[in-house]
Amino acid sequence: QLVLTQSPSASASLGASVKLTCTLTSGHSGYAIAWHQQQPEKCPRYLVKVNSDGTHNKGDGIPDRFSGSSSGAERYLAISSLQSEDEADYYCQTWDTGIVFGGGTKLTVL
Amino acid sequence: QVQLVQSGAEVKKPGASVKVSCKTSGYTFTNNAIHWVRQAPGQRLEWMGWINAGRGNTKYSQRFQDRVTITRDTSARSAYMELRSLRSEDTAVYYCARDVAPAGLSHFDYWGQGTLVTVSS
Repeated sequence: QLVLTQSPSASASLGASVKLTCTLTSGHSGYAIAWHQQQPEKCPRYLVKVNSDGTHNKGDGIPDRFSGSSSGAERYLAISSLQSEDEADYYCQTWDTGIVFGGGTKLTVL
Repeated sequence: QVQLVQSGAEVKKPGASVKVSCKTSGYTFTNNAIHWVRQAPGQRLEWMGWINAGRGNTKYSQRFQDRVTITRDTSARSAYMELRSLRSEDTAVYYCARDVAPAGLSHFDYWGQGTLVTVSS
């Protein structure tokens, strides 16, 4: 069964960088995923699609501070020069016979 | 620019049905599938199903298959999600989202603003 695993929380300081991880279940390491950001009390926003070869495609208007990468069954979202508005929940999403979401990572900007 | 605008908040009694609309603009409606996703308070995103806006065929999550119907009206550029036999656990924000692909499952690139559905006696 296709499952996405995310750490429940992460934190980093204002101006620093952070890397969030989304792990695909064994046997699904060839799948692409997408990252979505959900700021408090707002709807999700698409950030970037990450392919298994590490190539990525960002959504419209997404700053260069956001980037995606890949290694094996892990898909990453890197955020540099952290700003206060980056404090949000980050969800990874993939697709097979249906849509699957990870449990989300709550990012705190210190 | 691409926009998905949903209908307003609803309050329903247990056992009732709710129908949420998602009006799109800024692109050719029939070129992209529309998905419905819900988020209960403090919970993760949960996929409910999708519709091929061009052909009208649908696919539902097994969890909701017996209670949900997704439809579309191409002339209105809109998709609709009806959930029946509501219970308190269905209290959630319901989102529509655009798939980058027209006829298959892929990732979402635009989301609606969400519709709060409250189920309470």
